[in-house]
Amino acid sequence: QVQLVQSGAEVKKPGASVKVSCKASRNTFSTYYIHWMRQAPGQGLEWMGIINPSGGGTTLAQKLLGRVTLTRDTSTSTFYMELSSLRSEDTAVYYCALFSITWYWAQGTLVTVSS
Amino acid sequence: EIVLTQSPGTLSLSPGETATLSCRASQSVTGSSLAWYQQKLGQAPRLLISRASSRAAGIADRFSGSGSGTDFTLTVSRLEPEDFGVYYCHQYGTFPHTFGGGTKVEIK
Repeated sequence: QVQLVQSGAEVKKPGASVKVSCKASRNTFSTYYIHWMRQAPGQGLEWMGIINPSGGGTTLAQKLLGRVTLTRDTSTSTFYMELSSLRSEDTAVYYCALFSITWYWAQGTLVTVSS
Repeated sequence: EIVLTQSPGTLSLSPGETATLSCRASQSVTGSSLAWYQQKLGQAPRLLISRASSRAAGIADRFSGSGSGTDFTLTVSRLEPEDFGVYYCHQYGTFPHTFGGGTKVEIK
């Protein structure tokens, strides 16, 4: 049974950082690559990057290079997406997801950037 | 990156009619690695179709996907009230993965 559960909503000031977690079921963690996507209010979906659970290697969207960091904690079966130097345009719902024959998405985390 | 262009932008239909949604890629989608999602306001995207034509678990057979290469289609037959929302295509064969801009299916 694939299960992905994300952390709760966050409110941050411009220039700050945010770290969103995505906890995977134990049988899922070490097997599947985790993707991160986001969706700004009223906008479409954007792919942010992917992390390999085994070695931690990542592939990131070019426009976010230098601001986004994807990590994982093998002891807690949890993946993290950290976005720094936040601006108002980063206000969005952030999703983690994985592909195993089909796609599984978590419930999403709203990050609001506001002064 | 592969640009996905969805058309039309908005589709106004009545319950019982058939919706035909198009997703055109700027270059060939590897392995027909294309998915379709339905999204309603305030909800996460709901997977309908993966690998261009494979229905996800629990999805009614009124939903069907077809296509390969650069041209893909989602057909929703016998529209029901709960089918209205925004539909997105998503290619996952090549990095960076990309999404189309969406087609809104609304009640006429």
